[in-house]
Amino acid sequence: AQKVTQAQTEISVVEKEDVTLDCVYETRDTTYYLFWYKQPPSGELVFLIRRNSFDEQNEISGRYSWNFQKSTSSFNFTITASQVVDSAVYFCALSDTNAGKSTFGDGTTLTVKP
Amino acid sequence: NAGVTQTPKFRILKIGQSMTLQCTQDMNHNYMYWYRQDPGMGLKLIYYSVGAGITDKGEVPNGYNVSRSTTEDFPLRLELAAPSQTSVYFCASSWVKNEKLFFGSGTQLSVL
Repeated sequence: AQKVTQAQTEISVVEKEDVTLDCVYETRDTTYYLFWYKQPPSGELVFLIRRNSFDEQNEISGRYSWNFQKSTSSFNFTITASQVVDSAVYFCALSDTNAGKSTFGDGTTLTVKP
Repeated sequence: NAGVTQTPKFRILKIGQSMTLQCTQDMNHNYMYWYRQDPGMGLKLIYYSVGAGITDKGEVPNGYNVSRSTTEDFPLRLELAAPSQTSVYFCASSWVKNEKLFFGSGTQLSVL
């Protein structure tokens, strides 16, 4: 069975601080996909990134960066110079290659204070 | 550009009542999913469909039923509502498996 663990339930930072959200996953598949989604206070779920298990290159998109380490089964998400608008719940998810079903972690609530 | 549309947005049910949560997408996506999100928790998969006429159970299917007669629609039926079904329900779709999910805006359901 697949499992995603986001050990940090809540994180609070002051604006402009850097923050890293941790994600650890478990799977028996050799091919799998990892995702991050953002859920702002309005409640909708927004896709941030998708990564397959064969691509361990780190990715940067503006203030966002992702570190995928297969050796430690981790897919961590860093926000540089955080802003108040980054306040949201962030979910890490793991998709199985059979039916594409995604297993979600319990989420990390990030609060960025001005 | 509607994307994934869910109705209703809010609903209060009495114990034992039934209802159908509607979900429709206009992106011609083959894969559709129903998730529930309990407070402070992640999303749990209820049912999913890989195409019209094909559905399968997810992690928490008890108390729910689905159908997929068209590519666009994937309604979720609650029979004999129970307080444990109080949750926020999200419908999602993707073009192919393992691609990003497009989510509806959610249905907040309370069973009292």
